[in-house]
Amino acid sequence: NAGVTQTPKFRVLKTGQSMTLLCAQDMNHEYMYWYRQDPGMGLRLIHYSVGEGTTAKGEVPDGYNVSRLKKQNFLLGLESAAPSQTSVYFCASSKSGQDYDEQFFGPGTRLTVL
Amino acid sequence: AQTVTQSQPEMSVQEAETVTLSCTYDTSESDYYLFWYKQPPSRQMILVIRQEAYKQQNATENRFSVNFQKAAKSFSLKISDSQLGDAAMYFCAYRSAYYGGSQGNLIFGKGTKLSVKP
Repeated sequence: NAGVTQTPKFRVLKTGQSMTLLCAQDMNHEYMYWYRQDPGMGLRLIHYSVGEGTTAKGEVPDGYNVSRLKKQNFLLGLESAAPSQTSVYFCASSKSGQDYDEQFFGPGTRLTVL
Repeated sequence: AQTVTQSQPEMSVQEAETVTLSCTYDTSESDYYLFWYKQPPSRQMILVIRQEAYKQQNATENRFSVNFQKAAKSFSLKISDSQLGDAAMYFCAYRSAYYGGSQGNLIFGKGTKLSVKP
């Protein structure tokens, strides 16, 4: 099992450009999450999904959109990138959102917006 | 809203010694889960240990143990016999046990950077 994978690992964008980050998990998990990590900050939740075809906003959703067309994939889109979106992005998945369930994290994507 | 505070931005420990990382949280809920995650330089987030709020007994995983003080809303991590591989950022995280609210979302502290001296 690969666990949680993220594509790409690094990316540099210019202000105003768009891009999509792909997260894939092979554990048949229902829940998937997108976080961002900034220097001196913990991870903050951008969007999450509780199942195929569903998405919901997290703590910092502005400037991002997501889609979960297939259970194993969770896409994070930036329509018009801004320097404030320079960050490391983590995807995570869990069997459910309840109880003891562990969130499994991907390796992260470092995004720089110039 | 729940918050998690890690008051020690950086800590240092000598190899083979013991170190304790602090975490406090604020919540009005009575049932929840607490986690410690490790993030080494590779950036990979790794679950170290977890605690259920309704369990009195402190969780232990090999050299890692917690001191959970529910009334004080404190959840510290103790690392015994520190090893060079323990050097990493450590994040404390909170999750509500009430389904339908936060949907299992983790709320993270800002992290503590642990250095291990040989």
